[in-house]
Amino acid sequence: DFVLTQSPDSLTVSLGERATINCKSSQSVLYSSDNKNYLAWYQQKPGQSPKLLIYWASTRKSGVPDRFSGSGSETDFTLTISSLQAEDVAVYYCHQYYIAPLTFGGGTKVEI
Amino acid sequence: EVQLVESGGGLVQPGGSLRLSCAASGFSFSTYWMQWVRQVPGKGLVWVAHMNTDGSITRHADSVRGRFTISRDNAENTLYLQMNSLGAEDSAVYFCVRGNPLIEDWGQGTLVTVSS
Repeated sequence: DFVLTQSPDSLTVSLGERATINCKSSQSVLYSSDNKNYLAWYQQKPGQSPKLLIYWASTRKSGVPDRFSGSGSETDFTLTISSLQAEDVAVYYCHQYYIAPLTFGGGTKVEI
Repeated sequence: EVQLVESGGGLVQPGGSLRLSCAASGFSFSTYWMQWVRQVPGKGLVWVAHMNTDGSITRHADSVRGRFTISRDNAENTLYLQMNSLGAEDSAVYFCVRGNPLIEDWGQGTLVTVSS
């Protein structure tokens, strides 16, 4: 199974500051046939279900604020929140959909 | 608007069974792969099972294979998860999710508690 390791487990960021979350995959999630990274990011706020933020490693879902951005390729990925807002307090998960069984990172809790 | 509404969770004794349902609306259910993902409260997300559009392809996680069965009724726009031989390790919130391989939407989840 593909193992996704997120770091840090938690981070505290001041309002308006940058938050950076890393995700490392045990194997490459870059599919050579379409040159796409099968890596997504989800946001889960307290008491809610996860919501898709980023897919193909760097494509923002429609309606997601542009302060959220994804980068990386093959095995190393980053989710950046450029200017943290109060409503961004949540746990963030990376997720590989390259191959079954689908797997998720352990989550990163972002607090203010 | 896509809506996925799970039901059927609750308290069950070890060794017991439950059948979860997920009522889907707001999209063409029969054209989407569907999946189940579970989460122990306060812990991470774990994929459970998926099924293709017509039900001819299914796959279950090793941890539930032989005990859980995913199924769907496209006429009723409903996804199911039959769970047998439940153990404490199966206690979790179970989410119905849309899409494969990319999970696009999640239901609100239904809590399953296995305890005597």
